[in-house]
Amino acid sequence: DGGITQSPKYLFRKEGQNVTLSCEQNLNHDAMYWYRQDPGQGLRLIYYSQIVNDFQKGDIAEGYSVSREKKESFPLTVTSAQKNPTAFYLCASSNQPGRVFGYTFGSGTRLTVV
Amino acid sequence: AQSVSQHNHHVILSEAASLELGCNYSYGGTVNLFWYVQYPGQHLQLLLKYFSGDPLVKGIKGFEAEFIKSKFSFNLRKPSVQWSDTAEYFCAVSEISSGSARQLTFGSGTQLTVLP
Repeated sequence: DGGITQSPKYLFRKEGQNVTLSCEQNLNHDAMYWYRQDPGQGLRLIYYSQIVNDFQKGDIAEGYSVSREKKESFPLTVTSAQKNPTAFYLCASSNQPGRVFGYTFGSGTRLTVV
Repeated sequence: AQSVSQHNHHVILSEAASLELGCNYSYGGTVNLFWYVQYPGQHLQLLLKYFSGDPLVKGIKGFEAEFIKSKFSFNLRKPSVQWSDTAEYFCAVSEISSGSARQLTFGSGTQLTVLP
């Protein structure tokens, strides 16, 4: 079945550590996105990529980094510079970056700083 | 920057009651509009979308939404809710600029609780 796979489902990080969240899609979608979901704040865009080897900052990119070396993969690194990383992270993809027909979402990764 | 407002943070209804969730956005140009739903422990799913044409759009599970351009609104409605509609609902907007759509901006979400 086509879809988006995010791993791990739960992730614990010590303060000062970098962690990488995985996002893989087999939908042949060109565009991929990372959102952060916090209670009462909805989804906020961290980074997005409309094509391989290219990505742009979203609204809250500080403390995060991404890469897009392959069409199907868009990993997100939460660095030690992110002051409040505990959140639910959602990856999404779409097949029409120029005209969004709606996103397919992964099941998310819940990151907790301990 | 684009903003999307969902003024109802938590709505509690009894089964068979009618539902209307508000969504307003700030962009004055052409937009694509979406409602997503997140059932407990599940993925975000698309309920319905509006791109052009008839401003009254119908989605899955008996939901519908009406685009009122003059009010910058895209309210979600359902005539009779069920316990299984308990979920969080997100409105999302994509600006259309120079023929291209920008990425989605989401509202803060509305938690709907339906009492049996």
